[in-house]
Amino acid sequence: GAGVSQSPSNKVTEKGKDVELRCDPISGHTALYWYRQSLGQGLEFLIYFQGNSAPDKSGLPSDRFSAERTGGSVSTLTIQRTQQEDSAVYLCASSLNPPEAFFGQGTRLTVV
Amino acid sequence: TQLLEQSPQFLSIQEGENLTVYCNSSSVFSSLQWYRQEPGEGPVLLVTVVTGGEVKKLKRLTFQFGDARKDSSLHITAAQPGDTGLYLCAGASNAGNTGKLIFGQGTTLQVKP
Repeated sequence: GAGVSQSPSNKVTEKGKDVELRCDPISGHTALYWYRQSLGQGLEFLIYFQGNSAPDKSGLPSDRFSAERTGGSVSTLTIQRTQQEDSAVYLCASSLNPPEAFFGQGTRLTVV
Repeated sequence: TQLLEQSPQFLSIQEGENLTVYCNSSSVFSSLQWYRQEPGEGPVLLVTVVTGGEVKKLKRLTFQFGDARKDSSLHITAAQPGDTGLYLCAGASNAGNTGKLIFGQGTTLQVKP
């Protein structure tokens, strides 16, 4: 595919369960971002990967959140012991020329 | 902490009117971008401005970066219903080598036919 692909597009989970969100970036893009967006609001930075450098994790809201990027391509955002306040749209973006970013459609996470 | 404040947060206008959206900060950014987002979609990059005082035009949209690289504006001439959406400004952090983007809260634009 030509664009950033995220899966699943929607996820409903029970409070306390763990979830994994996946991001397939545009081929060849060395930078990858995760953002979180609440309804109608701006984007909250979570984490940034650039090549082989140590990721910028400064936006992760708690130690329940983690992300990895395997082989410099696919990334997974994991949220452990989900809480209702984790409900949001999680957006992934990739870039060949940071900070110009190309976003996926997002994963809408609902914690019930 | 770098913050970006957008105004207005919500704008509802008639087709054909002009409008301006503002993006302000007390911090200097190395570059600033404008995105447009439609419901259920991710943001789509409209423009990047890099130089203080820079003006870029994209059809009916005019983007300006402040001389001090702390603020920006988006002006739409003769708005059309297709311009409806959430407009987001985003500044690239000036600290270190990170490509992290700081986003404003967004401006929801509704253009009525």
